[in-house]
Amino acid sequence: DQQVKQNSPSLSVQEGRISILNCDYTNSMFDYFLWYKKYPAEGPTFLISISSIKDKNEDGRFTVFLNKSAKHLSLHIVPSQPGDSAVYFCAASVGNNNDMRFGAGTRLTVKP
Amino acid sequence: DGGITQSPKYLFRKEGQNVTLSCEQNLNHDAMYWYRQDPGQGLRLIYYSQIVNDFQKGDIAEGYSVSREKKESFPLTVTSAQKNPTAFYLCASSMIIGRTPSNEQYFGPGTRLTVT
Repeated sequence: DQQVKQNSPSLSVQEGRISILNCDYTNSMFDYFLWYKKYPAEGPTFLISISSIKDKNEDGRFTVFLNKSAKHLSLHIVPSQPGDSAVYFCAASVGNNNDMRFGAGTRLTVKP
Repeated sequence: DGGITQSPKYLFRKEGQNVTLSCEQNLNHDAMYWYRQDPGQGLRLIYYSQIVNDFQKGDIAEGYSVSREKKESFPLTVTSAQKNPTAFYLCASSMIIGRTPSNEQYFGPGTRLTVT
């Protein structure tokens, strides 16, 4: 029962262009969403989050958009840099609880 | 240099043997978690603990056991009862704010367990 889905296992983008990573969820009770980034041989690290009271949150080159009616969120990285190449996980939870649901991840490759 | 350490990075075991994966954190976090990752799937929660000497089952706790004798340590034992133990295991921790855990979890580098 995958409540959080990342349908694109991989994405390749040219340096300087925009990267858009997508995430869909099925549980309408989710009200807090996070993106994690994972480099090889390291654990995931927190990148950016958004609560359901907002539809956009921006942190430098990273912006997360939330469309509650479509149960969809996306992470925009602009401009993309080769160091952004990693696996990106989307996660969702109901409030602050221990039961966070993760997507399967999207591998982003940014080509110089 | 605060963080979470998991050891070893790679672990090989014969079927039928129990194996314990180590997780230590020096972030002074109260909450700790164990996740399992399989190819093409998101992380799935095995067990979590919000306080010493207390822990709760996640979605896929069958065949696993944990202990939380110290705040810094949350070892996971993969028992012989776990039908498909070969996987990538990630440990995480988070602060507790008020009485609820923060959603922002800090992860260790993971242990890849192979059982043959």
